[in-house]
Amino acid sequence: SQQGEEDPQALSIQEGENATMNCSYKTSINNLQWYRQNSGRGLVHLILIRSNEREKHSGRLRVTLDTSKKSSSLLITASRAADTASYFCATTAYNNNDMRFGAGTRLTVKP
Amino acid sequence: GAVVSQHPSRVICKSGTSVKIECRSLDFQATTMFWYRQFPKKSLMLMATSNEGSKATYEQGVEKDKFLINHASLTLSTLTVTSAHPEDSSFYICSARAAERPGGQQYFGPGTRLTVT
Repeated sequence: SQQGEEDPQALSIQEGENATMNCSYKTSINNLQWYRQNSGRGLVHLILIRSNEREKHSGRLRVTLDTSKKSSSLLITASRAADTASYFCATTAYNNNDMRFGAGTRLTVKP
Repeated sequence: GAVVSQHPSRVICKSGTSVKIECRSLDFQATTMFWYRQFPKKSLMLMATSNEGSKATYEQGVEKDKFLINHASLTLSTLTVTSAHPEDSSFYICSARAAERPGGQQYFGPGTRLTVT
């Protein structure tokens, strides 16, 4: 079963704007990861944040984690048309070794 | 970075036939491999977890007799869809975790698109 819920399900913005996607989960986690998937393609790992971390940056990406609220956000700054893709969060629990994916956010960046 | 391959990338088969999908970790040993299924515009659903040399653990609702998983070596896991039906058409993605990194990052294959006619 899926672990996380993401919102919004779909997001459409203009190039240059920032895009924020949120992910909520239900159980305690060891880490949370964000992935990107272009239509019909494989997953691209973006960033991993551990349960004892609150924020991580990677280039134009900023991820936050609030374990008290069981939620995470992914911010893409200065978006580009090439950022158009689906973005998924995935959690790994302490007592499990497998990864559970959220429903995903379909981001469209208009040039 | 670690590389995971899948073969074939696309396969079309007739209803009632069986299809085998291979997942290989190319530059690391994977004690654990995972198989996911993804319907169009949907998220990835974990089907099963396979550990090298032992039986796969299937998620609730996944028919183990229909989706046969074999993890015979530290670099290869196979998923066989037996007696395929059109509703089995989907995108199947595998991932592999390095032997020395339990609970660590998984590396995903590029996926296999199965179409059953």
